[in-house]
Amino acid sequence: DVKVTQSSRYLVKRTGEKVFLECVQDMDHENMFWYRQDPGLGLRLIYFSYDVKMKEKGDIPEGYSVSREKKERFSLILESASTNQTSMYLCAGSGDPDNSPLHFGNGTRLTVT
Amino acid sequence: AQSVTQPDIHITVSEGASLELRCNYSYGATPYLFWYVQSPGQGLQLLLKYFSGDTLVQGIKGFEAEFKRSQSSFNLRKPSVHWSDAAEYFCAVGVSYNTDKLIFGTGTRLQVFP
Repeated sequence: DVKVTQSSRYLVKRTGEKVFLECVQDMDHENMFWYRQDPGLGLRLIYFSYDVKMKEKGDIPEGYSVSREKKERFSLILESASTNQTSMYLCAGSGDPDNSPLHFGNGTRLTVT
Repeated sequence: AQSVTQPDIHITVSEGASLELRCNYSYGATPYLFWYVQSPGQGLQLLLKYFSGDTLVQGIKGFEAEFKRSQSSFNLRKPSVHWSDAAEYFCAVGVSYNTDKLIFGTGTRLQVFP
């Protein structure tokens, strides 16, 4: 079965810190996504990637960047964390975009103090 | 632009009762539609999906959903709810050429009383 793993379940960081959220998928496919989830707002797409070295902005990319150096790993980077980035972050991966739904990791709950 | 509306933020039902969670979408072409469930502390799990064909779709855990083009709806149903169904449910829509770039609704939290 497809597995998407996020390395941290909980993180607490200070304002201004650089934060890395790591995600690894065991599928041999290209497509990976980062969402943030907030109460009353559902899931909002931050960035996605359809191939190594490739990235595209989602709906709310401001304050974030991503890195995709290897197919199986997709990292979300908060260059200078702020309190409004306190949220649940969900990584997802998929196979063939014509016929495959997203598979999600268990999420990383980030608190910025 | 496509969008998804889940009008019910929070629903409470008794165990054994039937359930219907509402989802309306806005999209000009034929949508690809999904329902996901999120248990506390977990990621999202796919319940079912609609790509084409039969408008009544069966999913896991006894759930089904019906695509109604005329109403732009994709409501999720279950005839008899179990306490373990308590979770948050998300409806999502994908564009016809790219089913994995999804737009999600804001979710419906289901509470089940014994």
